[in-house]
Amino acid sequence: GNSVTQMEGPVTLSEEAFLTINCTYTATGYPSLFWYVQYPGEGLQLLLKATKADDKGSNKGFEATYRKETTSFHLEKGSVQVSDSAVYFCALSATGNQFYFGTGTSLTVIP
Amino acid sequence: NAGVTQTPKFQVLKTGQSMTLQCAQDMNHEYMSWYRQDPGMGLRLIHYSVGAGITDQGEVPNGYNVSRSTTEDFPLRLLSAAPSQTSVYFCASSPGTGWSYEQYFGPGTRLTVT
Repeated sequence: GNSVTQMEGPVTLSEEAFLTINCTYTATGYPSLFWYVQYPGEGLQLLLKATKADDKGSNKGFEATYRKETTSFHLEKGSVQVSDSAVYFCALSATGNQFYFGTGTSLTVIP
Repeated sequence: NAGVTQTPKFQVLKTGQSMTLQCAQDMNHEYMSWYRQDPGMGLRLIHYSVGAGITDQGEVPNGYNVSRSTTEDFPLRLLSAAPSQTSVYFCASSPGTGWSYEQYFGPGTRLTVT
């Protein structure tokens, strides 16, 4: 079946620290992979995506590379800001019309 | 474009009451879906639709009904509310049904069932 596993939080970092949020997946076929971000009281917003192996998605300083050999799609940012505080969701879309989400990782960045 | 809109933002129901959560999108998207978000469980798919007149069940459909009479609207009906349905509900839409398309989310409805 299809599933996503992401690192549990919460994660607390100081401003300008390096961020990694791990995400691994299980899927039938060749999925597309996504990172979504949810700010307090809001819906989810697409942060970045990759649709095939070795693709790198990037946006707002965040990056993630689709690694088929390790079934991973880890989210990274070189220098986090207070405004990056949010909940981050890894997700996949494979066969059929369904998305599968991880449980979310809460990030707090302190000045 | 307003994107995906949901009403109401907050709702409190008593056990056994029924209600409809509204969802609309103005992007002419084919695909629409409903999720519930519970602490520690991420988002779980309730129902989805690949076009007007076509709906299907997701992972957790029990206790919920949907219909899709127009491209724009996709209401979610709770037939007889239960405390286990206390959750935050998100509607989403997507321009296509292929798996490379991202989903666009509404702001959510926070439902409490007492």
